[in-house]
Amino acid sequence: QQQVKQSPQSLIVQKGGIPIINCAYENTAFDYFPWYQQFPGKGPALLIAIRPDVSEKKEGRFTISFNKSAKQFSLHIMDSQPGDSATYFCAASNSGGGADGLTFGKGTHLIIQP
Amino acid sequence: GAGVSQSPRYKVAKRGQDVALRCDPISGHVSLFWYQQALGQGPEFLTYFQNEAQLDKSGLPSDRFFAERPEGSVSTLKIQRTQQEDSAVYLCASSLPRSYEQYFGPGTRLTVT
Repeated sequence: QQQVKQSPQSLIVQKGGIPIINCAYENTAFDYFPWYQQFPGKGPALLIAIRPDVSEKKEGRFTISFNKSAKQFSLHIMDSQPGDSATYFCAASNSGGGADGLTFGKGTHLIIQP
Repeated sequence: GAGVSQSPRYKVAKRGQDVALRCDPISGHVSLFWYQQALGQGPEFLTYFQNEAQLDKSGLPSDRFFAERPEGSVSTLKIQRTQQEDSAVYLCASSLPRSYEQYFGPGTRLTVT
């Protein structure tokens, strides 16, 4: 049972465009939703994260939109650059007041064309 | 400061061999996680430590997988009698006390031939 579904699997956007990556979750106990960026041969790097008490969070060019009733959240990358080309993963966890293992989506391979 | 480090970065094992993968977390990070990432997939949770206590090992795929963190710092993931399906990147992550933010190391790519 896949608890976090991510789409699209791959995405090509022109430089300056706004790629949008979507995730849907099933477990209503999830209360922490991070996005990670991974380059080939590297470990995932934390980009931005949101808790369910807010509907949107912005950090630099990255924005998370969160819809608790629909159990969906998405990542928007403003003014995308070729250096943003990477694989992006959404994730979720049930913190339960402490740390918890993350459940990841299958990833989106993003290419930003110059 | 230094990030999470893992060694070796690459490991080739013949089927049936035992392997040991090491993780050095960020200094001061009491929580440590192991994940397995198959080619083209997202990481999958294996196990979690808080200091030296292994609080969750629900993701370990079989009893051939064993993890330890005896002094609450460095951790070792051991895989006995490796099988081809064990080929993957093994990622380690750490986090501060009472923080949800997990910081990943570069991973160890294990290839079982």
